[in-house]
Amino acid sequence: AQTVTQSQPEMSVQEAETVTLSCTYDTSESNYYLFWYKQPPSRQMILVIRQEAYKQQNATENRFSVNFQKAAKSFSLKISDSQLGDTAMYFCAFMKPNPTSGTYKYIFGTGTRLKVLA
Amino acid sequence: DAGITQSPRHKVTETGTPVTLRCHQTENHRYMYWYRQDPGHGLRLIHYSYGVKDTDKGEVSDGYSVSRSKTEDFLLTLESATSSQTSVYFCAISEMNSPLQETQYFGPGTRLLVL
Repeated sequence: AQTVTQSQPEMSVQEAETVTLSCTYDTSESNYYLFWYKQPPSRQMILVIRQEAYKQQNATENRFSVNFQKAAKSFSLKISDSQLGDTAMYFCAFMKPNPTSGTYKYIFGTGTRLKVLA
Repeated sequence: DAGITQSPRHKVTETGTPVTLRCHQTENHRYMYWYRQDPGHGLRLIHYSYGVKDTDKGEVSDGYSVSRSKTEDFLLTLESATSSQTSVYFCAISEMNSPLQETQYFGPGTRLLVL
């Protein structure tokens, strides 16, 4: 069974600094996808970034980038130039397509609460 | 933002009473999901639907049932609420055109307290 581990329950970073959130996962699959979701105090979950496992190039979305190490099963999120609006809970998620049923199975980590300090 | 609403947004109920949570979407997406979020557990899948009247169980489905009679509505029912079902419940939708485009969009959540 797949598992997703986020070992940092809480982190803080100064505004304008860079912070890295860690995520590791365990799977025997070769075809899968990884996501980072953000949940601000409003509780609305928002997709931050996604990575296809077959791609070696790390995904980037503006100030957000990932360090995807497939052999190590590691998928960390780097936030550059942190802003107060980045304060949120961040969830790492693993997704595996099921070609038989045509569905997708998601496994979420337990989350890292990030606080950006002024 | 994806058009997803959940109702009610907050509910307090007593042990043993039935509770129904509603998820409504305006995106015409085929897939809908119910998750619960608890401290130390992240999000856990309760049930999901891959079409009208087509549903399946997730990892924590005991004590919950679902129904989907229309594309836009996905109902989650707690037949007899227990204190262990106190949680925040999230609905999500996705289109699943392909894995490359697959993204889940989440509703605002429903906070349920079972006394």
